[in-house]
Amino acid sequence: DTEVTQTPKHLVMGMTNKKSLKCEQHMGHRAMYWYKQKAKKPPELMFVYSYEKLSINESVPSRFSPECPNSSLLNLHLHALQPEDSALYLCASSQGPGLAGGQDYNEQFFGPGTRLTVL
Amino acid sequence: AQKITQTQPGMFVQEKEAVTLDCTYDTSDPSYGLFWYKQPSSGEMIFLIYQGSYDQQNATEGRYSLNFQKARKSANLVISASQLGDSAMYFCAMREASNTGNQFYFGTGTSLTVIP
Repeated sequence: DTEVTQTPKHLVMGMTNKKSLKCEQHMGHRAMYWYKQKAKKPPELMFVYSYEKLSINESVPSRFSPECPNSSLLNLHLHALQPEDSALYLCASSQGPGLAGGQDYNEQFFGPGTRLTVL
Repeated sequence: AQKITQTQPGMFVQEKEAVTLDCTYDTSDPSYGLFWYKQPSSGEMIFLIYQGSYDQQNATEGRYSLNFQKARKSANLVISASQLGDSAMYFCAMREASNTGNQFYFGTGTSLTVIP
């Protein structure tokens, strides 16, 4: 199984709503990532979890709250979002954090994304 | 400095012709990986090809090949025999290892249009 799944595919929410995005992988990967992508732009890294611990938080506003309940699941909790938060949210996973100086493959596998619209 | 630079915002190619998408990178990490991804309008990021910094030979994967010139820090993607389905955004990416784990950097992308 070389698949990363994301639910929901589409989400429309108001600025006062609370919602969650879900991501799941069963490849035994120990690193998982959240990216935000605006149209015609590259993905912007938001969070990285390594071995279920938050290792990188790229100065993301607190209205985005990640959670990694176990090694296969990654959630992104959304609260009080702004219209400018509308974007494609991509989840990815890779084999592991990797070792500095080590040569490992560590391709990132991406999920299909959630298209979020904030009204 | 930009970690990954893609200087071609848009490219056109005739069906069945070959096309080269440019990518240059900047790193001081001796161990790194270079990736190319395709993103059709549906949004999914599709992995195409990988080149490790220690690999001696250029990577190839079907119609995709990576022209890796380490001294020039370039990793251009060559698509041979273009097909209409190749029309998409193409992103070059680099993985570096750090104390906190792998860091991935993406270029700004090249929009490829294949003309029938």
